[in-house]
Amino acid sequence: EAGVTQFPSHSVIEKGQTVTLRCDPISGHDNLYWYRRVMGKEIKFLLHFVKESKQDESGMPNNRFLAERTGGTYSTLKVQPAELEDSGVYFCASSRAGTGDEKLFFGSGTQLSVL
Amino acid sequence: AQSVTQLDSQVPVFEEAPVELRCNYSSSVSVYLFWYVQYPNQGLQLLLKYLSGSTLVKGINGFEAEFNKSQTSFHLRKPSVHISDTAEYFCAVSSRGAGNKLTFGGGTRVLVKP
Repeated sequence: EAGVTQFPSHSVIEKGQTVTLRCDPISGHDNLYWYRRVMGKEIKFLLHFVKESKQDESGMPNNRFLAERTGGTYSTLKVQPAELEDSGVYFCASSRAGTGDEKLFFGSGTQLSVL
Repeated sequence: AQSVTQLDSQVPVFEEAPVELRCNYSSSVSVYLFWYVQYPNQGLQLLLKYLSGSTLVKGINGFEAEFNKSQTSFHLRKPSVHISDTAEYFCAVSSRGAGNKLTFGGGTRVLVKP
């Protein structure tokens, strides 16, 4: 069974540019989460999809971040325009539908560097 | 609001020695507790979790953790570490009913020396 896959693994962009991160969850997983770790800080929740619907986007830092999950399969996270403080590792995770404590599977992350 | 504090940012330990990673949390509601591990160039992997019941939880790779409600702690232990346990370890909590919306601690890097 394939795990959670994230593309690209690394991205280096200049301030003001746009970057799109992609996450392919495990097939059949309705729940998809985005988390971010800024250097030296804790991993923080960004948002949660259930299928194609945003269940909770309370962790999104500002309106420069746009997440989508068309068709309830893969998800994208777009940052436009990118700022220096957006640098960090962006993790995607997925889990099955259920009562809420299903095992969470993480991707290996996208390292974003904004110069 | 919730918070998680991992008291040690780095823990060096010799191979075959025991290790304890400390985690304290703060929450106004009942929580689930988790330990995750991140090996180099990999994603986070669940080591163990506490949902309810016995306060001593056994996980993968010989790790265990004990939930102490009065001290709001969830320390992780392994009696004898291996070189392959070199990784970063994360303690996390979620509110009951909030599923996998996790609040993480800052992480503890474990370096196992031969």
